[in-house]
This record gives sequence, C-alpha cells and structure tokens, in this order.
Amino acid sequence: EAQVTQNPRYLITVTGKKLTVTCSQNMNHEYMSWYRQDPGLGLRQIYYSMNVEVTDKGDVPEGYKVSRKEKRNFPLILESPSPNQTSLYFCASKKYRSGPYNEQFFGPGTRLTVL
Amino acid sequence: GIQVEQSPPDLILQEGANSTLRCNFSDSVNNLQWFHQNPWGQLINLFYIPSGTKQNGRLSATTVATERYSLLYISSSQTTDSGVYFCAGIYNNNDMRFGAGTRLTVKP
Repeated sequence: EAQVTQNPRYLITVTGKKLTVTCSQNMNHEYMSWYRQDPGLGLRQIYYSMNVEVTDKGDVPEGYKVSRKEKRNFPLILESPSPNQTSLYFCASKKYRSGPYNEQFFGPGTRLTVL
Repeated sequence: GIQVEQSPPDLILQEGANSTLRCNFSDSVNNLQWFHQNPWGQLINLFYIPSGTKQNGRLSATTVATERYSLLYISSSQTTDSGVYFCAGIYNNNDMRFGAGTRLTVKP
C-alpha cells in the first residue's frame, strides 16, 4: 500500500531533550516536507526536500533540523525542544517538486507535547 | 503574503443535509487540493483540482481558477463526514498554502 508513515504517533517529552520524528514514504517520491498544525493557524511548512541531500527552509524552520540521506526517509530533529513546539506534525511527500498530477500525500501525524 | 480563506469557519448540519464549503485565494494558483481531517487528526486527500469539476461519490469540487475560488460540495451528509475540511493552494508550482479550515459537525 502506497503510504507515508511517521513515528512516533504520540510523544510527550521535556524541554531540552533531543528528539527525532521519523518519516518514510514508499512511493519513490522526490519531494518531501514537514508541516506543523496549530489551532487557528492551519498547517505551516517547516522544511522541505526536493531530493536526496537537498533540503530548504519553509515558513517556520526555527528550532528544527532535517536530513535527507535516503530518498524514502526524511526525519525531523528537535535538538532542544521547547514548549512552543508543542504541536501536531505532519510529514508529506509528492512525486516531484512541481508540475501537474503531483498531489501531496500526508502521513498520519505526530502529536508532540513538550513540558 | 498569499492568503487562502475558507468559509464558513464552522458548520453544523443535520444528517442528510447538503452543504457547500468555499475557498478563496488571493493569487493565482497552479493547483488546489481539498483535504478532510478526521477526528483522529489524519489528513485525507479528497481532490486535486486545478480547474473544472470532479466528483467522488457524495463529494464534488469545482475550481474556478480565473476567479480564484474553489467549492467543495457535500451531499446527503453523514456523521462520518464530520471533521475539518482544508483547502490548500499550490503556488509557484511548489509552495503549498493552507486555509484555516471549515469545521463540520453532522448531527444524527
């Protein structure tokens, strides 16, 4: 089944404790991205990657890191989480950066709470 | 910046009723997607629709790109349709901007 998977789905942690949220897709997509969803703000893009070893900042990159060493994986790293990073996080992928017939697919979400 | 506005913000329906959700965007889009976020938080793709009309069962969507809006129609609504509906405009063939969503509650 074609899908985007994320782990963990739920995480409660404390301020300053480094964490990684994994993301994997099995559709051979070139483009992957991370979003956070906050009440009243919709989804905002954190980082995106157009291909292996190519990453760039989205709208709200502060406090986050990403890497793209393999095409299928795009982990999100919080080196020193803070309470304002409490949010619902989504990983997404699409076949190419741009072009037609290029809908974006989303993972199931990771609900993160930073105490 | 680019704005994507959805209306209404909240909608309460009786089961069986029809509804129309609207998405306005401030600039021309290359494409537009509609999503349903279910009560468990999952985002489900509904339509990928740069222009014209598409139908999928009880749902259909129309995008009029020249007038910068898209509509999502839900007919004969069911309680399982409850959740938040998002539209997202794709700009510059890459940037995806989401609206704030329409929260739909369908009562039995």
